[in-house]
Parts: sequence; structure tokens; C-alpha cells
Amino acid sequence: DSGVTQTPKHLITATGQRVTLRCSPRSGDLSVYWYQQSLDQGLQFLIHYYNGEERAKGNILERFSAQQFPDLHSELNLSSLELGDSALYFCASSVGLAGTETQYFGPGTRLLVL
Amino acid sequence: AQKVTQAQTEISVVEKEDVTLDCVYETRDTTYYLFWYKQPPSGELVFLIRRNSFDEQNEISGRYSWNFQKSTSSFNFTITASQVVDSAVYFCALTAYSGAGSYQLTFGKGTKLSVIP
Repeated sequence: DSGVTQTPKHLITATGQRVTLRCSPRSGDLSVYWYQQSLDQGLQFLIHYYNGEERAKGNILERFSAQQFPDLHSELNLSSLELGDSALYFCASSVGLAGTETQYFGPGTRLLVL
Repeated sequence: AQKVTQAQTEISVVEKEDVTLDCVYETRDTTYYLFWYKQPPSGELVFLIRRNSFDEQNEISGRYSWNFQKSTSSFNFTITASQVVDSAVYFCALTAYSGAGSYQLTFGKGTKLSVIP
């Protein structure tokens, strides 16, 4: 168990809908990262928050947004969902910002868009 | 741009055989960090090892060993006496600086290891 929690574990929804994925980092970790794992694109970095502030964006669609709250949990919002958004979404956390730090991953949320 | 290549898409071995998973990386950074993660069939990503670019010593942890060679930009992973529980997808990853103090992981496509009893 990495100490990172994600809810829900599974999510099935329809095209055009909006969903929210939730992540709680390990105790003491200030950084939260979101990654998407799909069959065609593999594991891709989406966005990074540190202590409530957005730090970096990767291949994140404009339909997707995220935030990190004062208690350090984070939410990833996916809207106007398309079939291609079906994927496994991971949240990871690390202590701070240094490149030396290990990112520990949560169990993931499996999203299926029908 | 950072890139990680895992040329082996799938490998099958018989239990108790040794197996090496290859990882080749590209980066312009002089300081960087390499990782291996394991994704068992249950789907979670499990951290296995971190290695920084200054430390080329090989590492052994039980049946696992890692061979980091800066000269060939490789960070290979060997499992000795493989077991069925080693069946998983293994990912090699490299840190990339994104700016504003942010480091992201760039992953390879993964190698699916199947250990046959």
C-alpha cells in the first residue's frame, strides 16, 4: 500500500458527461501528480500541483481540469467526455518538488465512457 | 526531449529462469533520475527502485538487480529465479524537468512479463 488513495475505483459513464476523480496524497506529501494510462498512449503526465498551486501541465486536454485543496487532496475533473477518454487515471504524490523524489502512485481510477 | 525506450513488448519465461528487461533512455540533462515500476494484473503501480545519474553502481535487492550504464544510456532490470508472482508489466521511467520547479515522469511503453509455472 503506497499510502495514496483514489476514489472511485471504477467509473462508468456516458459520452458528454462530467466526472470528478479524487486523490488523497500520502501523509506529509505536498505534491500531487495526475497521469493517464491508455492502451494507445501509454502512461502520460497530465498535471502537477504543489501545495495548492499548479506547477506544470503535460498532455492535458482543455476539457480536463484539476485543483488541489487546502487539505492537499486533489480532484481531476473531466468534462464533455468522449469514448477516447476511457483510461486508467493515476494520482501520485511526493514530498516536495525535487527531482530526486520518488512519486508514489495510488491504485488508480478506471474510467469507462460508453 | 526526454525519451524512454523499452524495446521488449512482451516476454515469457518458465518459472525459475532468469530474465532481463531492457531500458534505454535519452535526455539532455546532466542530472537525472531513473525509476522502475511494476504494474501487476490488479493495476496499481508499485515503485521498485530509483537511481540517480551520478551513481553507476549496480544494485541488488533479493532476486532483483539493476544494471545502470551511463555510457550506453541503459538501465536494465534482471529478475533471478523468476516466480509466477513476478508476472506483471514493468515500466522504466525518467524524470524530466517541466519548469517552475516541477519534475514529471516520462515512462517507457512497458514490458509485459509472463512467468509460466
